Formats: sequence, structure tokens, C-alpha cells
Amino acid sequence: IAGITQAPTSQILAAGRRMTLRCTQDMRHNAMYWYRQDLGLGLRLIHYSNTAGTTGKGEVPDGYSVSRANTDDFPLTLASAVPSQTSVYFCASSEFGEAGNEQFFGPGTRLTVL
Amino acid sequence: GQNIDQPTEMTATEGAIVQINCTYQTSGFNGLFWYQQHAGEAPTFLSYNVLDGLEEKGRFSSFLSRSKGYSYLLLKELQMKDSASYLCAVRDSNYQLIWGAGTKLIIKP
Repeated sequence: IAGITQAPTSQILAAGRRMTLRCTQDMRHNAMYWYRQDLGLGLRLIHYSNTAGTTGKGEVPDGYSVSRANTDDFPLTLASAVPSQTSVYFCASSEFGEAGNEQFFGPGTRLTVL
Repeated sequence: GQNIDQPTEMTATEGAIVQINCTYQTSGFNGLFWYQQHAGEAPTFLSYNVLDGLEEKGRFSSFLSRSKGYSYLLLKELQMKDSASYLCAVRDSNYQLIWGAGTKLIIKP
């Protein structure tokens, strides 16, 4: 494969359940990102990682956690899902350090929390 | 605060030209990106501007004025496949992208 994969493609989840969204890239990019996209709003950054072993909080981190054990994988965990976390989640990656480096996006995970 | 503004929706005719504007106020500036996003799909990169002026790539061009906090994306010879949302994003002083809500472009025959 070439690029970024995300799993699952879609999920319906009961409120209060724990859920991990998976993201894997094979481009050896050092930076990875998690966004959520809601109707009428721009992509909002949840968490990011500039390099393996480090993570940082974005604009909307509450209720989410991430880890970056290696270069390729960047899972996003919802510890106890709430209906306001219903959204489309995109994982992205890029080279970090050059301002012009574009971000490449995975196909997204559509999550519904009931 | 940080803010990216772009029109919510625009309509244009196949074969015509359309200009999508973006204004921004951000903490620092390290470049401006345009992405295309078809319904139900992921955003894909279109263009990058960091210096003032026009960058041309085939049917698509992007312009930047840093002093005015303004950019536009120009699409020429519109095709039906250009129907999509166009996202403007600015890389701020922390090297993170701040995104506009996107402009939905509808192309009519």
C-alpha cells in the first residue's frame, strides 16, 4: 500500500463505550495528525505528533488521547464516547520542519455515538 | 483569535472561470494551502503559497497577499468533476494548519 489507511471506515457506538480509531502510514512521514470534520466547521485538530515518541494537543483534545509508539501508527482513543463526538475523523501525515510540506489524508472514519 | 473566512457556497457554469476567496487572521504565517475535497472523500492538496503573488498549476491558480491577509483560488475551464468543496488553510506560528470551513462549489451544465 502507499499512503494512509484508517480503520474502521465507519462505526456506530453506544455512549460511554471506549473506542480506538486506527491510522497507519507507509510514507515514513515524521508528523501525524488527527482531525475531526463537522458540517459547517473547518477541520479541527485534535492531537498531533511531530515525531515518534512525542504528542501534542490541538484545538479540541478533550475526551481524546493518542500515542505514537513508532513512525507508522497513530491511534486515537475515545475513553468514554459522548454524542458530541459524532463526526468524521481524518488522520493525516506530513514531513515536519518544512513549511511547504503538504499533509496527506487518510480516507476517514465516520463515527456515530448514540 | 484565529480565523479563516471563505464563502459557504458558490455556483458556476461548466467551461467558465470561478474565483474562491479566503481571508485570514492567524497568529503567525508560514504559508497558505488550498485543498479540494469531494463529497465523502478525504481532502487532497491543490496548492501552496508562502510569498505574495500568483502560483499557476494547469487550470488552477492561487494568489496570496500577506499584507491583506487574503488569498484566492482561480479555477479555469470548469469541468463537472470540479464540483467539490475547496478548503483554505493557513500554517500558523506553531506550524499547525488552521482551516476554513470550506467553499462548496456547484458546477452547472
